[in-house]
Amino acid sequence: DTGVSQNPRHKITKRGQNVTFRCDPISEHNRLYWYRQTLGQGPEFLTYFQNEAQLEKSRLLSDRFSAERPKGSFSTLEIQRTEQGDSAMYLCASSPGGGLDNQPQHFGDGTRLSIL
Amino acid sequence: DQQVKQNSPSLSVQEGRISILNCDYTNSMFDYFLWYKKYPAEGPTFLISISSIKDKNEDGRFTVFLNKSAKHLSLHIVPSQPGDSAVYFCVASLNKLIFGTGTRLQVFP
Repeated sequence: DTGVSQNPRHKITKRGQNVTFRCDPISEHNRLYWYRQTLGQGPEFLTYFQNEAQLEKSRLLSDRFSAERPKGSFSTLEIQRTEQGDSAMYLCASSPGGGLDNQPQHFGDGTRLSIL
Repeated sequence: DQQVKQNSPSLSVQEGRISILNCDYTNSMFDYFLWYKKYPAEGPTFLISISSIKDKNEDGRFTVFLNKSAKHLSLHIVPSQPGDSAVYFCVASLNKLIFGTGTRLQVFP
């Protein structure tokens, strides 16, 4: 049973650089979610996809952030012109979807981003 | 505006005893609640859930109670084991998940 996979696990970059993270959800899961967790807080919702359609974006997702899920399978999250405040753990989750709203989401182990 | 509140940042319990983690929420539109457990350097792991049409759900050592009128949930773990030591998040679902700030549970021998 393959769970949600995220790459890379860690990313260290200089302020102003662009970074991209990848998430591979559990196969056959239609819904894919991105969250961000900072120290001492619970994860905060960023955006989610139903298949390839991006259905909701949080106001936390500034115009420097973009997420895609081009073929309804894996997803990428890109942050342009990174800032110190972008340092966080970025978590991806997936769930079956398909009309079943109340289903647990299954999380990957996250990508930890550190901005120097 | 914290819609899901976990007012106890930490809890310490002796092995074999009951652990009770509490959670309050503000939005009466929430109709599905979950508890997740998180170990360091890992993603949150789903533990147990409850729909708003129920007031109790049990799974082995874990029981979640929901009091809709008080907008309050609690997670009971009995008996507590050292491997239960982790951060526990109370979560409400409205398509997306809305997390509390977490309670760090430590179970000591």
